[in-house]
Amino acid sequence: GENVEQHPSTLSVQEGDSAVIKCTYSDSASNYFPWYKQELGKRPQLIIDIRSNVGEKKDQRIAVTLNKTAKHFSLHITETQPEDSAVYFCAASLSGTASKLTFGTGTRLQVTL
Amino acid sequence: DAGVTQSPTHLIKTRGQQVTLRCSPKSGHDTVSWYQQALGQGPQFIFQYYEEEERQRGNFPDRFSGHQFPNYSSELNVNALLLGDSALYLCASRARGVPTGELFFGEGSRLTVL
Repeated sequence: GENVEQHPSTLSVQEGDSAVIKCTYSDSASNYFPWYKQELGKRPQLIIDIRSNVGEKKDQRIAVTLNKTAKHFSLHITETQPEDSAVYFCAASLSGTASKLTFGTGTRLQVTL
Repeated sequence: DAGVTQSPTHLIKTRGQQVTLRCSPKSGHDTVSWYQQALGQGPQFIFQYYEEEERQRGNFPDRFSGHQFPNYSSELNVNALLLGDSALYLCASRARGVPTGELFFGEGSRLTVL
């Protein structure tokens, strides 16, 4: 089955700096890659996703890149703000089975003033 | 729109007991899936329900079972509870007829097994 590895497990940046979280996946058939943000005690919320027919997608301060050959995708957050502090999860799935997401182990992002 | 609602929010059980968790999907959603999130880990897929049938299953034993009702709500049942079943159980739903639509999560039911 699919296996998703995520790094780093914790990340501390100063407000205004950029943050990068990296994930690799094992199943070359996976073609849907969402990123979820989970604040303490809250539900995971989708922040951005990418499908394998594109290499990059951007939404304001958040961008995701995908390298299908290397089976690697990354989340980039620019101009970080304290409210960006949360746990971020990457995930992978086959688009036809988008309810069955395989998640990474999460990255705890701390944005300090 | 209330989004995905789950009950109870917290519960404590002892080893060997049985538990039932409930989920109401977001309005307009007909596909419900369940995930187990252990402390400090990412969610793990348990199973998915669509048209009142289990459609996919993750690597969980038969002690984990579920049901979907005609109104698309769902239950997760866990029998013969083990200490290792302590986790946050998340329900997620997806938009009807949109296989690649966004998966919406509920706030979860936190189960503690003593």
